Amino acid sequence: EAGVTQFPSHSVIEKGQTVTLRCDPISGHDNLYWYRRVMGKEIKFLLHFVKESKQDESGMPNNRFLAERTGGTYSTLKVQPAELEDSGVYFCASSQDVRPGAGRYYNEQFFGPGTRLTVL
Amino acid sequence: GDSVTQMEGPVTLSEEAFLTINCTYTATGYPSLFWYVQYPGEGLQLLLKATKADDKGSNKGFEATYRKETTSFHLEKGSVQVSDSAVYFCALSDRGGSYIPTFGRGTSLIVHP
Repeated sequence: EAGVTQFPSHSVIEKGQTVTLRCDPISGHDNLYWYRRVMGKEIKFLLHFVKESKQDESGMPNNRFLAERTGGTYSTLKVQPAELEDSGVYFCASSQDVRPGAGRYYNEQFFGPGTRLTVL
Repeated sequence: GDSVTQMEGPVTLSEEAFLTINCTYTATGYPSLFWYVQYPGEGLQLLLKATKADDKGSNKGFEATYRKETTSFHLEKGSVQVSDSAVYFCALSDRGGSYIPTFGRGTSLIVHP
């Protein structure tokens, strides 16, 4: 079974340009998450899709970031226009159904290899 | 809010040495605790987890015990191998919330032959 895949693996762009990152989750996983790790810092949550709906986008830094998941399959994360502080590694993860309230239930997230974004 | 603090790296060891990577946490609730590992060129993988106090998570020779009294979840391995070279992330997840992990900064481990 294929894991979570992300494209591209690396992207180098200039400030002010637009970049689109893509994530293909594991087939059948309704939940898709985006995270970001700025150099040497914590991995920070950006947003969570359940199928095609945004369940939680509280981690999105500002309106230069736009995430979509049309059809509930793959997702894209667009940064427009990119700024220097957007540099980092963007991770995508997917998981099966989450059952909130089911006691100590943890639904494992499977992560992709990340896209390293460098804004010059 | 919730947070995780890990020892800074890189940690450099010789093969067969003993490994400890310290991790402490702050949480308002009663979280589950995790260690993730990222090998070069790969995504994060769940290494082990513990869901209640005094639980010991273990996998691939790594262990960590959930210590509620010291709010710690230190990662240990008795004898590291070159193949253990990776970045290790400690994380917590609030059971009552969204199950989205709060991560530490990661600790790079380099094991020399």
